[in-house]
Amino acid sequence: GAVVSQHPSRVICKSGTSVKIECRSLDFQATTMFWYRQFPKQSLMLMATSNEGSKATYEQGVEKDKFLINHASLTLSTLTVTSAHPEDSSFYICSARGFRRDVSGNTIYFGEGSWLTVV
Amino acid sequence: AQSVTQLGSHVSVSEGALVLLRCNYSSSVPPYLFWYVQYPNQGLQLLLKYTTGATLVKGINGFEAEFKKSETSFHLTKPSAHMSDAAEYFCAVSEGNTGKLIFGQGTTLQVKP
Repeated sequence: GAVVSQHPSRVICKSGTSVKIECRSLDFQATTMFWYRQFPKQSLMLMATSNEGSKATYEQGVEKDKFLINHASLTLSTLTVTSAHPEDSSFYICSARGFRRDVSGNTIYFGEGSWLTVV
Repeated sequence: AQSVTQLGSHVSVSEGALVLLRCNYSSSVPPYLFWYVQYPNQGLQLLLKYTTGATLVKGINGFEAEFKKSETSFHLTKPSAHMSDAAEYFCAVSEGNTGKLIFGQGTTLQVKP
């Protein structure tokens, strides 16, 4: 089963509103979580790295005031798209890095992704 | 800086034929290398990864990849394609065990009956 859960899997919001996407590690503590964006038929682009209890580190070109990332606990990171516009419509995927019981090594697990459509 | 290049955005093979998906990377430090598969409208599933040690890595679903440092390559192969292998495949690199992945452009694998 899934070890990283994203919610919602699909969301439609009106232009100008904000929308929050959650990323949860289900059976392990994620010291670090990553947020990616994927446009249709394209690759994944890293947006930011978040560590529990500290500010996220954003990649060049990503607006930190538009894409707010909060990593409040070792099992939850949230991405809030503020004042969303149609061009923010995309597939957003998170990944979590941590140690799982009975799994050797520090492993990366991806969520199932969240489709955001801004109308 | 790290980068990944996947040669061929679209690969088509017949069912039962060899699958070869090419990946070349650039990294200033010893890389960790990954292959992921993505089915339509879904997240990523890890096929295999190379960290250190044995350069031939075996993954799930019969896939394997070989790390060739001299060629800066990490090509993915499978001896016999199955219809269910049709999907998008991504090669990725990270700086050691940081967890921060840089992805290639992706290769769409089509399997013909």
